[in-house]
Amino acid sequence: SAVISQKPSRDICQRGTSLTIQCQVDSQVTMMFWYRQQPGQSLTLIATANQGSEATYESGFVIDKFPISRPNLTFSTLTVSNMSPEDSSIYLCSVHMGGLEGQYFGPGTRLTVT
Amino acid sequence: DQQVKQNSPSLSVQEGRISILNCDYTNSMFDYFLWYKKYPAEGPTFLISISSIKDKNEDGRFTVFLNKSAKHLSLHIVPSQPGDSAVYFCVGGSQGNLIFGKGTKLSVKP
Repeated sequence: SAVISQKPSRDICQRGTSLTIQCQVDSQVTMMFWYRQQPGQSLTLIATANQGSEATYESGFVIDKFPISRPNLTFSTLTVSNMSPEDSSIYLCSVHMGGLEGQYFGPGTRLTVT
Repeated sequence: DQQVKQNSPSLSVQEGRISILNCDYTNSMFDYFLWYKKYPAEGPTFLISISSIKDKNEDGRFTVFLNKSAKHLSLHIVPSQPGDSAVYFCVGGSQGNLIFGKGTKLSVKP
């Protein structure tokens, strides 16, 4: 298993600003994932972050809007850039530990953009 | 295009009775399916999984049934307890990638 923490847990931001979300894992993992859950919607994968390489973005998500860093095997950041109210969501990071347990998730960051 | 569909956004059940959460999928390439449980202000936590080559997996009070011909799976919770009240996500998995349904909010009333 893995224990994952995220900072901040929530934030209220103004339109046009940027927010960086941090994700810390208690063990070394190769693959980290960033998800978004918009109100009333399912979790949607934004990108996969592997240490030592560029993040891989899913369709509809671009690096300029959601830059990701992965400086080591236990840490990653996601930045939500030039925010608009449509970016109001819960953002979650997760790690894949193998097997049929899928992924372990952090507690999420609840972002509100005004 | 929703690959994993949970058509019931909410379900209310009396304590001690059975809870049945349903899920349909369209992607035949899923290798396995999972159910995650999510409490408010927490991330989803793994509950139970089933390989696509199985039709049933049981873990304590939780049983997942898979009907591949119908592309349907269900999660049974027996007996239901108030602590089971949460949002349950049906998830299809393939090569480490996960596709989530929108979730069903289960309320178990004492």
